[in-house]
Amino acid sequence: AQKVTQAQTEISVVEKEDVTLDCVYETRDTTYYLFWYKQPPSGELVFLIRRNSFDEQNEISGRYSWNFQKSTSSFNFTITASQVVDSAVYFCALSEEKRDDKIIFGKGTRLHILP
Amino acid sequence: DTGVSQDPRHKITKRGQNVTFRCDPISEHNRLYWYRQTLGQGPEFLTYFQNEAQLEKSRLLSDRFSAERPKGSFSTLEIQRTEQGDSAMYLCASSFEGPEQYFGPGTRLTVT
Repeated sequence: AQKVTQAQTEISVVEKEDVTLDCVYETRDTTYYLFWYKQPPSGELVFLIRRNSFDEQNEISGRYSWNFQKSTSSFNFTITASQVVDSAVYFCALSEEKRDDKIIFGKGTRLHILP
Repeated sequence: DTGVSQDPRHKITKRGQNVTFRCDPISEHNRLYWYRQTLGQGPEFLTYFQNEAQLEKSRLLSDRFSAERPKGSFSTLEIQRTEQGDSAMYLCASSFEGPEQYFGPGTRLTVT
Protein backbone atom coordinates (compact mmCIF):
# COMPACT_ATOMS: atom_id res chain seq x y z
CA ALA A 1 0.00 0.00 0.00
CA GLN A 2 1.17 3.52 -0.66
CA LYS A 3 1.07 6.00 2.13
CA VAL A 4 2.68 9.27 3.14
CA THR A 5 2.77 10.29 6.78
CA GLN A 6 3.51 13.78 8.00
CA ALA A 7 3.32 13.42 11.75
CA GLN A 8 3.69 17.13 12.45
CA THR A 9 0.33 18.79 11.95
CA GLU A 10 1.47 22.28 12.85
CA ILE A 11 4.81 23.88 13.72
CA SER A 12 5.60 27.38 14.92
CA VAL A 13 9.10 28.80 15.02
CA VAL A 14 10.55 32.24 15.39
CA GLU A 15 12.01 33.85 12.31
CA LYS A 16 15.64 32.90 11.55
CA GLU A 17 15.34 29.59 13.32
CA ASP A 18 15.92 26.37 11.39
CA VAL A 19 12.99 24.00 11.06
CA THR A 20 12.69 20.42 9.79
CA LEU A 21 9.50 18.95 8.41
CA ASP A 22 9.29 15.18 8.67
CA CYS A 23 7.94 12.81 6.05
CA VAL A 24 7.73 9.02 6.12
CA TYR A 25 6.44 7.02 3.18
CA GLU A 26 5.36 3.48 2.35
CA THR A 27 5.55 1.87 -1.04
CA ARG A 28 6.07 -1.56 -2.59
CA ASP A 29 7.23 -0.20 -5.88
CA THR A 30 10.94 -0.13 -6.62
CA THR A 31 10.64 2.91 -8.84
CA TYR A 32 8.94 5.79 -7.15
CA TYR A 33 9.20 9.54 -6.77
CA LEU A 34 9.02 11.78 -3.76
CA PHE A 35 7.92 15.39 -3.79
CA TRP A 36 7.54 18.39 -1.59
CA TYR A 37 4.96 21.05 -2.36
CA LYS A 38 4.26 24.38 -0.70
CA GLN A 39 0.72 25.71 -0.45
CA PRO A 40 0.52 29.36 0.59
CA PRO A 41 -2.80 30.91 1.68
CA SER A 42 -3.66 31.61 -1.97
CA GLY A 43 -4.17 27.87 -2.34
CA GLU A 44 -1.95 27.19 -5.31
CA LEU A 45 0.40 24.21 -5.03
CA VAL A 46 4.00 25.25 -5.56
CA PHE A 47 6.38 22.49 -6.57
CA LEU A 48 9.60 22.49 -4.54
CA ILE A 49 11.46 19.28 -5.34
CA ARG A 50 11.23 15.79 -6.79
CA ARG A 51 13.57 12.92 -5.92
CA ASN A 52 13.76 9.57 -7.68
CA SER A 53 13.94 6.35 -5.67
CA PHE A 54 17.26 5.42 -7.21
CA ASP A 55 18.93 8.70 -6.27
CA GLU A 56 19.53 9.09 -2.55
CA GLN A 57 21.69 12.14 -2.85
CA ASN A 58 20.60 14.92 -0.57
CA GLU A 59 19.89 18.24 -2.14
CA ILE A 60 20.30 21.85 -1.16
CA SER A 61 18.64 24.80 -2.82
CA GLY A 62 19.32 28.08 -1.11
CA ARG A 63 17.82 27.90 2.37
CA TYR A 64 16.05 24.63 1.58
CA SER A 65 17.55 21.18 1.93
CA TRP A 66 16.17 17.67 1.66
CA ASN A 67 17.36 14.48 3.32
CA PHE A 68 16.26 11.29 1.54
CA GLN A 69 16.95 8.03 3.40
CA LYS A 70 15.60 4.82 1.89
CA SER A 71 16.69 2.81 4.93
CA THR A 72 14.15 4.66 7.08
CA SER A 73 11.71 5.52 4.24
CA SER A 74 12.02 9.16 5.09
CA PHE A 75 12.26 12.32 3.04
CA ASN A 76 12.70 15.24 5.42
CA PHE A 77 12.74 18.91 4.50
CA THR A 78 14.76 21.54 6.34
CA ILE A 79 14.42 25.29 6.05
CA THR A 80 17.45 27.15 7.32
CA ALA A 81 17.14 30.68 8.68
CA SER A 82 13.37 30.67 8.27
CA GLN A 83 11.54 33.75 7.04
CA VAL A 84 7.96 34.90 7.50
CA VAL A 85 7.33 34.22 3.79
CA ASP A 86 7.98 30.55 4.47
CA SER A 87 4.69 30.37 6.36
CA ALA A 88 2.50 27.94 4.47
CA VAL A 89 1.27 24.37 4.43
CA TYR A 90 3.87 21.94 3.15
CA PHE A 91 2.95 18.63 1.59
CA CYS A 92 5.14 15.61 1.14
CA ALA A 93 3.96 13.31 -1.64
CA LEU A 94 4.72 10.03 -3.40
CA SER A 95 4.05 8.67 -6.85
CA GLU A 96 4.81 5.23 -8.23
CA GLU A 97 5.72 4.39 -11.76
CA LYS A 98 3.50 1.29 -11.76
CA ARG A 99 0.50 3.35 -10.73
CA ASP A 100 0.73 5.78 -13.62
CA ASP A 101 2.35 8.38 -11.44
CA LYS A 102 -0.79 9.51 -9.63
CA ILE A 103 0.37 11.43 -6.59
CA ILE A 104 -0.41 10.41 -3.03
CA PHE A 105 -0.14 13.35 -0.67
CA GLY A 106 0.43 13.47 3.05
CA LYS A 107 -1.92 15.52 5.19
CA GLY A 108 0.46 18.41 5.29
CA THR A 109 2.32 20.37 7.94
CA ARG A 110 1.21 23.93 8.61
CA LEU A 111 4.29 26.04 9.28
CA HIS A 112 4.03 29.36 11.10
CA ILE A 113 7.09 31.59 11.07
CA LEU A 114 6.69 34.19 13.78
CA PRO A 115 8.35 37.58 13.32
CA ASP B 1 1.33 32.07 -19.65
CA THR B 2 1.27 28.43 -20.76
CA GLY B 3 0.61 26.77 -17.41
CA VAL B 4 -2.42 24.74 -16.41
CA SER B 5 -5.52 26.89 -16.14
CA GLN B 6 -8.80 26.19 -14.39
CA ASP B 7 -12.12 27.89 -14.64
CA PRO B 8 -13.88 29.13 -12.60
CA ARG B 9 -11.55 29.87 -9.73
CA HIS B 10 -14.42 30.06 -7.28
CA LYS B 11 -17.92 28.67 -7.41
CA ILE B 12 -20.70 29.03 -4.90
CA THR B 13 -23.75 26.91 -5.50
CA LYS B 14 -26.80 25.74 -3.66
CA ARG B 15 -27.22 22.15 -2.61
CA GLY B 16 -28.80 20.11 -5.34
CA GLN B 17 -27.49 22.18 -8.23
CA ASN B 18 -25.13 20.86 -10.88
CA VAL B 19 -21.72 22.41 -11.43
CA THR B 20 -19.08 21.98 -14.10
CA PHE B 21 -15.41 22.86 -13.90
CA ARG B 22 -12.95 23.15 -16.73
CA CYS B 23 -9.26 22.43 -16.87
CA ASP B 24 -6.94 23.39 -19.70
CA PRO B 25 -3.68 21.46 -19.45
CA ILE B 26 -0.31 22.48 -20.76
CA SER B 27 -0.34 22.07 -24.50
CA GLU B 28 0.73 18.60 -25.66
CA HIS B 29 0.55 17.10 -22.19
CA ASN B 30 -1.12 13.76 -22.71
CA ARG B 31 -1.98 13.02 -19.09
CA LEU B 32 -4.49 14.98 -17.07
CA TYR B 33 -5.32 14.38 -13.41
CA TRP B 34 -8.07 15.61 -11.12
CA TYR B 35 -7.59 15.88 -7.37
CA ARG B 36 -9.82 17.09 -4.57
CA GLN B 37 -8.62 18.84 -1.44
CA THR B 38 -10.86 19.33 1.56
CA LEU B 39 -10.05 21.66 4.43
CA GLY B 40 -7.04 20.57 6.44
CA GLN B 41 -6.22 17.65 4.18
CA GLY B 42 -3.84 16.94 1.36
CA PRO B 43 -5.11 16.63 -2.19
CA GLU B 44 -6.66 13.27 -3.01
CA PHE B 45 -6.64 11.64 -6.42
CA LEU B 46 -9.99 11.49 -8.21
CA THR B 47 -9.35 10.39 -11.76
CA TYR B 48 -6.96 10.66 -14.66
CA PHE B 49 -6.89 10.63 -18.44
CA GLN B 50 -4.32 9.52 -20.92
CA ASN B 51 -5.27 11.50 -24.00
CA GLU B 52 -9.06 11.14 -24.19
CA ALA B 53 -9.24 7.84 -22.32
CA GLN B 54 -10.23 7.88 -18.66
CA LEU B 55 -7.98 5.21 -17.22
CA GLU B 56 -8.67 5.24 -13.51
CA LYS B 57 -11.30 6.52 -11.15
CA SER B 58 -10.96 6.71 -7.39
CA ARG B 59 -13.63 5.38 -5.06
CA LEU B 60 -14.05 9.01 -4.06
CA LEU B 61 -15.65 9.64 -7.44
CA SER B 62 -19.28 8.79 -6.74
CA ASP B 63 -21.78 8.36 -9.55
CA ARG B 64 -22.70 12.03 -9.18
CA PHE B 65 -19.30 12.91 -10.57
CA SER B 66 -18.36 12.63 -14.20
CA ALA B 67 -15.25 13.72 -16.01
CA GLU B 68 -14.51 13.98 -19.68
CA ARG B 69 -11.63 14.89 -21.87
CA PRO B 70 -12.95 15.10 -25.41
CA LYS B 71 -10.25 15.14 -28.06
CA GLY B 72 -7.60 14.74 -25.41
CA SER B 73 -7.25 18.46 -24.76
CA PHE B 74 -9.24 20.27 -22.05
CA SER B 75 -11.17 18.35 -19.42
CA THR B 76 -14.42 18.97 -17.57
CA LEU B 77 -15.48 17.71 -14.19
CA GLU B 78 -19.21 17.78 -13.50
CA ILE B 79 -20.87 17.25 -10.16
CA GLN B 80 -24.58 16.59 -10.24
CA ARG B 81 -26.93 17.23 -7.33
CA THR B 82 -24.21 18.83 -5.25
CA GLU B 83 -24.03 18.13 -1.53
CA GLN B 84 -22.36 20.14 1.20
CA GLY B 85 -19.72 17.45 1.45
CA ASP B 86 -18.63 18.32 -2.07
CA SER B 87 -17.28 21.64 -0.84
CA ALA B 88 -13.56 21.49 -1.57
CA MET B 89 -10.78 22.71 -3.80
CA TYR B 90 -10.69 20.83 -7.08
CA LEU B 91 -7.21 20.70 -8.56
CA CYS B 92 -6.20 19.73 -12.04
CA ALA B 93 -2.70 18.69 -13.08
CA SER B 94 -1.14 17.66 -16.36
CA SER B 95 1.98 15.84 -17.40
CA PHE B 96 3.69 14.43 -20.44
CA GLU B 97 3.91 10.92 -19.00
CA GLY B 98 6.56 10.60 -16.28
CA PRO B 99 6.20 11.81 -12.71
CA GLU B 100 6.32 15.57 -13.20
CA GLN B 101 2.81 16.98 -12.79
CA TYR B 102 2.02 20.64 -13.18
CA PHE B 103 -0.87 21.86 -11.08
CA GLY B 104 -3.42 24.50 -11.90
CA PRO B 105 -4.63 27.12 -9.42
CA GLY B 106 -7.70 25.07 -8.51
CA THR B 107 -11.43 25.71 -8.38
CA ARG B 108 -12.80 26.33 -4.93
CA LEU B 109 -16.35 25.01 -4.62
CA THR B 110 -18.65 26.06 -1.82
CA VAL B 111 -22.00 24.32 -1.54
CA THR B 112 -24.49 26.17 0.63
